[in-house]
Amino acid sequence: GIQVEQSPPDLILQEGANSTLRCNFSDSVNNLQWFHQNPWGQLINLFYIPSGTKQNGRLSATTVATERYSLLYISSSQTTDSGVYFCAVDSDSWGKFQFGAGTQVVVTP
Amino acid sequence: EPEVTQTPSHQVTQMGQEVILRCVPISNHLYFYWYRQILGQKVEFLVSFYNNEISEKSEIFDDQFSVERPDGSNFTLKIRSTKLEDSAMYFCASTPVTAQETQYFGPGTRLLVL
Repeated sequence: GIQVEQSPPDLILQEGANSTLRCNFSDSVNNLQWFHQNPWGQLINLFYIPSGTKQNGRLSATTVATERYSLLYISSSQTTDSGVYFCAVDSDSWGKFQFGAGTQVVVTP
Repeated sequence: EPEVTQTPSHQVTQMGQEVILRCVPISNHLYFYWYRQILGQKVEFLVSFYNNEISEKSEIFDDQFSVERPDGSNFTLKIRSTKLEDSAMYFCASTPVTAQETQYFGPGTRLLVL
């Protein structure tokens, strides 16, 4: 099956800093989503981005499908950005997401 | 904004007992999914469901698991005889028209098997 690797595994940021999270995948994909898992365990959908670039406030994402990677940018980080960020990809037609192991982000005041 | 809802939020059960986890997908969505996340690990796909039948399932989804859409709104996951290793957060998700769209996840049910 498709392999999904996320880096870095852990990230500690000071409030106000910018960061880039990376997701590499081993095969072509139909879907790609970025999620933020909050401290209560909820998965918050950030972006549906199988290709191209999207922005939502301080967050933006870029997927280069031909090179099999996606990047999530966090700008001017806030403590509420803390949590685990997951990339999930689907390489078949049925929405069977394969999740990466996640990046644990801690934003300190 | 419409949301996927799940009940209960937490459930504690004894090993060997049957549990039913319930989900109400977003109205008019056609594709439904169950995932699970063992504590500290990544989210794993269990099953996808479309047109009242399973479209794909993972190796985890063995004979102890079943899914059902008993009416026009609910989507359930049943575990017939729970094991300790079934302890996990279970997420339900849905997509609107095709499988190649945004998957909307519910808040999860945290299952603890003692």
